[in-house]
Amino acid sequence: KAGVTQTPRYLIKTRGQQVTLSCSPISGHRSVSWYQQTPGQGLQFLFEYFSETQRNKGNFPGRFSGRQFSNSRSEMNVSTLELGDSALYLCASTAGGYQETQYFGPGTRLLVL
Amino acid sequence: AQKVTQAQTEISVVEKEDVTLDCVYETRDTTYYLFWYKQPPSGELVFLIRRNSFDEQNEISGRYSWNFQKSTSSFNFTITASQVVDSAVYFCALKKVNTGFQKLVFGTGTRLLVSP
Repeated sequence: KAGVTQTPRYLIKTRGQQVTLSCSPISGHRSVSWYQQTPGQGLQFLFEYFSETQRNKGNFPGRFSGRQFSNSRSEMNVSTLELGDSALYLCASTAGGYQETQYFGPGTRLLVL
Repeated sequence: AQKVTQAQTEISVVEKEDVTLDCVYETRDTTYYLFWYKQPPSGELVFLIRRNSFDEQNEISGRYSWNFQKSTSSFNFTITASQVVDSAVYFCALKKVNTGFQKLVFGTGTRLLVSP
């Protein structure tokens, strides 16, 4: 099976802009989770989508949002970008059950100037 | 609240040395999962192992072995006869089991440098 794919892999934006990142899960997986990785805060959970519904959310401001489509592909959006949003954004997929292991994509490196 | 501590920020070894990466966790849950992931320079988190809190058996996979001790809330990872390709950042993570949610709580990671 193909793994989790994320696009784009690299992105440069300026403060105040918005950005949309995409994640395609492993075929058959219905749950997609997003994480932000920064040198200062480490790996932090953003949110999880399952069957097009947000099932869990981390402690991030409302500028961070996401959605999931009927084919399980997910997008996350960050509006009004700030310098501190520069990070590696990783998505992970599972079939959806609590016993499942999360498999991660290669990430999108976002640089905000 | 759940917490994972990886006290070793960086470890440097010479090829063929054995190395142990420490992981200590905190949780009030009686059932949970523990994970180890490897992050090479490319950035992708590569799954290594998952351990259920009810299964304290140690596990060995090739040069990798894991020691889970519930009494000390530790889940340590040992690489035997390290190789240059083992150079990466290694993360320990914790997840609740009693919900369907997929949130992983990660430690801060341990950077392993294996020199020839």
